[in-house]
Amino acid sequence: QKEVEQNSGPLSVPEGAIASLNCTYSDRGSQSFFWYRQYSGKSPELIMFIYSNGDKEDGRFTAQLNKASQYVSLLIRDSQPSDSATYLCAVGASGGSNYKLTFGKGTLLTVNP
Amino acid sequence: GAGVSQTPSNKVTEKGKYVELRCDPISGHTALYWYRQSLGQGPEFLIYFQGTGAADDSGLPNDRFFAVRPEGSVSTLKIQRTERGDSAVYLCASSLRMWDEQFFGPGTRLTVL
Repeated sequence: QKEVEQNSGPLSVPEGAIASLNCTYSDRGSQSFFWYRQYSGKSPELIMFIYSNGDKEDGRFTAQLNKASQYVSLLIRDSQPSDSATYLCAVGASGGSNYKLTFGKGTLLTVNP
Repeated sequence: GAGVSQTPSNKVTEKGKYVELRCDPISGHTALYWYRQSLGQGPEFLIYFQGTGAADDSGLPNDRFFAVRPEGSVSTLKIQRTERGDSAVYLCASSLRMWDEQFFGPGTRLTVL
């Protein structure tokens, strides 16, 4: 059973701070990694994807991947109250089944004004 | 352009009844996925279509669940003899090709009384 683990939170940060969200996964052969944001009562919204080791930046968001440690993280710089949501880490399966995403339970982030 | 759409947004049914949930993917997306999300959990993979065929139905929990995509666009998830444990949000996602990023629809909240 492939697993994706996230701290459930809640993670609380002040406005303007950096929020750091972490994720570990069990499928060593996984090649694709995604971060989704989910507001309460809404569906997941893709915010970042990363396929290679290292950092990938998009605006205020930076995804970090370390395949050797089976670790993915998401940094949100200059956090805003509108960033308050649950952040889901998703990992594509290995062995040609990368379309099959396994999600963590999500980390609830609260950004306090 | 239009995103993934799903109907109905909410469905309340009685135990033992049959339900159909519809998904209309993003135009031009060849890959379509169904997930199920229970309260406090991340989405759980159910089935993946490439074109008209179900390429991977390994996530369907039992034979009461069935899905079709007869013309390679709209898909219907069918649940027979519904049980209270089937209550969840059913999410549909689509991607341009099987290895591309998946975009989710708003979901159908199914409640089985």
